[in-house]
Amino acid sequence: KNQVEQSPQSLIILEGKNCTLQCNYTVSPFSNLRWYKQDTGRGPVSLTIMTFSENTKSNGRYTATLDADTKQSSLHITASQLSDSASYICVVSLASGGSYIPTFGRGTSLIVHP
Amino acid sequence: GAGVSQTPSNKVTEKGKYVELRCDPISGHTALYWYRQSLGQGPEFLIYFQGTGAADDSGLPNDRFFAVRPEGSVSTLKIQRTERGDSAVYLCASSLRPGQSYNEQFFGPGTRLTVL
Repeated sequence: KNQVEQSPQSLIILEGKNCTLQCNYTVSPFSNLRWYKQDTGRGPVSLTIMTFSENTKSNGRYTATLDADTKQSSLHITASQLSDSASYICVVSLASGGSYIPTFGRGTSLIVHP
Repeated sequence: GAGVSQTPSNKVTEKGKYVELRCDPISGHTALYWYRQSLGQGPEFLIYFQGTGAADDSGLPNDRFFAVRPEGSVSTLKIQRTERGDSAVYLCASSLRPGQSYNEQFFGPGTRLTVL
C-alpha cells in the first residue's frame, strides 16, 4: 500500500531557531513530492515540488531535499518566525495511467514560540 | 475569483440527513479535486474531475457519497444519510491542467461538516 510517513508528529521551537521535518514514503512509481503548509482553518498551500531527478529545492527560508533512492525527503526551516506555526504536509504523487493520485502524510504540527 | 471558495464554511446536521457542499474553483482551472480531512490527519483523496467528468472516484468511501460538476466549473459534493463518522473538513482544490500531477493544486478553506 502506498504510504507517506512524517516525523515528528509535532514540534515546538523558539522563534529564530532552525528545524527539520522528515518524510518517508513507499509510493511507487514515484512522480513528484510536494511540501504543503496548512495554517489552522485554511487549506494547504504548496511550498515546494520536486521530481525524482531533483534533490533540493528552496523557497525563501524553506529548503526541501529529496533522496529518491531511500525514498526520504526533509523540509528545513531556517530562522523560524511565529508565522511558521502551522501543519506541514508531505504529499507524494503516483504516476499511474495519467491520473493524479496523491498520497498525503498526516503532517507535522509546528509551533513557534516567541 | 481570486481563489477557490467553498460554501458553507461550517455545516451542522443530524445523523441521517442529506447535505450538499459547494466548491467554486479558480476560473479557468479544468481539474477539480475533493478531499476529506479528519482532525490530526492529512487530506484523504475522494474524487477528481477533469472538466465535467469524474476521472477518478476511487476515493469515495461508499455509495452515500456522490459529486457532480455539470458545467465543468462549480462542483457539489453530496452526502446522503449522513453518519457521525462523516464529520470532517471537506477540502476542494483546483489546478490549471487536468491529469498532470506536476500542476499545483490550489485549495479552498474547506467546509467543516459536523454530524450530530
